[in-house]
Amino acid sequence: IAGITQAPTSQILAAGRRMTLRCTQDMRHNAMYWYRQDLGLGLRLIHYSNTAGTTGKGEVPDGYSVSRANTDDFPLTLASAVPSQTSVYFCASSDGATTGELFFGEGSRLTVL
Amino acid sequence: GQNIDQPTEMTATEGAIVQINCTYQTSGFNGLFWYQQHAGEAPTFLSYNVLDGLEEKGRFSSFLSRSKGYSYLLLKELQMKDSASYLCAVRDSNYQLIWGAGTKLIIKP
Repeated sequence: IAGITQAPTSQILAAGRRMTLRCTQDMRHNAMYWYRQDLGLGLRLIHYSNTAGTTGKGEVPDGYSVSRANTDDFPLTLASAVPSQTSVYFCASSDGATTGELFFGEGSRLTVL
Repeated sequence: GQNIDQPTEMTATEGAIVQINCTYQTSGFNGLFWYQQHAGEAPTFLSYNVLDGLEEKGRFSSFLSRSKGYSYLLLKELQMKDSASYLCAVRDSNYQLIWGAGTKLIIKP
């Protein structure tokens, strides 16, 4: 089934540890995004990539890094996790069509203690 | 700053009609989106408006007034499965999506 796969679905992490959230899509979409979703707030963009080999900073990039070595994969890394990074993380992709509809992965629930 | 406002929570009865409003103030406008998100799941695309007027898609319709910075999502013949959060998002002049916090819709029998 085509779509976006995220891993892990859930993780508890000690503060200061390094963590990489994986995201893979098989729709050959050029654009990919990482969002975090916190209660009472709208989705906030962390980083994005318009095409393989390029990345950009979103609204809340501090403490996170991404890479886009190929079209399919867009991992998000927390170099040294802090409790404020406890959140649900969604990876999304877009085919760049007129509507720019986003297709989301199922999310990764991260708890930093 | 950029801002999207929508009610935090609404309650409606199965079989009825509900209208979820969204007002926005953004730097430019390149389309407005509505997404549905069931609890614990990913958002899924519902509708897209870029011109003023009503877009109808089955039981769901979305309206846009660019001059008023206003949109609504209309859900007809409500079903229990429509219980979810509804997210309004606006694409600004930089083609970045600005998201509202979402409206949690509770459907009662």
